[in-house]
Amino acid sequence: GQQVMQIPQYQHVQEGEDFTTYCNSSTTLSNIQWYKQRPGGHPVFLIQLVKSGEVKKQKRLTFQFGEAKKNSSLHITATQTTDVGTYFCAVSRGSQGNLIFGKGTKLSVKP
Amino acid sequence: DGGITQSPKYLFRKEGQNVTLSCEQNLNHDAMYWYRQDPGQGLRLIYYSQIVNDFQKGDIAEGYSVSREKKESFPLTVTSAQKNPTAFYLCASSLRTDTQYFGPGTRLTVL
Repeated sequence: GQQVMQIPQYQHVQEGEDFTTYCNSSTTLSNIQWYKQRPGGHPVFLIQLVKSGEVKKQKRLTFQFGEAKKNSSLHITATQTTDVGTYFCAVSRGSQGNLIFGKGTKLSVKP
Repeated sequence: DGGITQSPKYLFRKEGQNVTLSCEQNLNHDAMYWYRQDPGQGLRLIYYSQIVNDFQKGDIAEGYSVSREKKESFPLTVTSAQKNPTAFYLCASSLRTDTQYFGPGTRLTVL
């Protein structure tokens, strides 16, 4: 079945350093969503990308959708301790109306 | 105040007992979902429902059951047939196939 690979699994950075997580699919995606889960919390929707080559920004977060719509990335500039958590990508599972989640990238930030 | 509620936040049960996890939403969303999350893992879909009185198995439905008698409610029963029930259970809802909104989760521990 459809899968989405997310790397890296863990990332430890010093506060102020940049961070990037990647999602890759072997099939063309209709869209991709990104969620953030704080430690002990629940996933919270960040953004959805739909168009080929799309780039969206939310303050220090930059989201990209590949030209072939098979990969996506989330980049955080100058990380802060508030960025700590696990970032998941999620893709639509055909016409069934549900999502397939990547395994997530757990970000820790050292002050 | 709209949202999704799950209760209880922590639940302890003895091995061999069935247990029902509550999920209620007042967002008027059509679709509801149940996920299981284990440490270091992504979200795995247990069951989902796109409309009242209808639901479908997800990727790991064995040992679980659900009902959808009301639009607002989608309870999950973890039966004694589930071999490794200890996990973090997340309920979500969405308007058709859009963004999913998650509840705070129930952490189930089977002793």
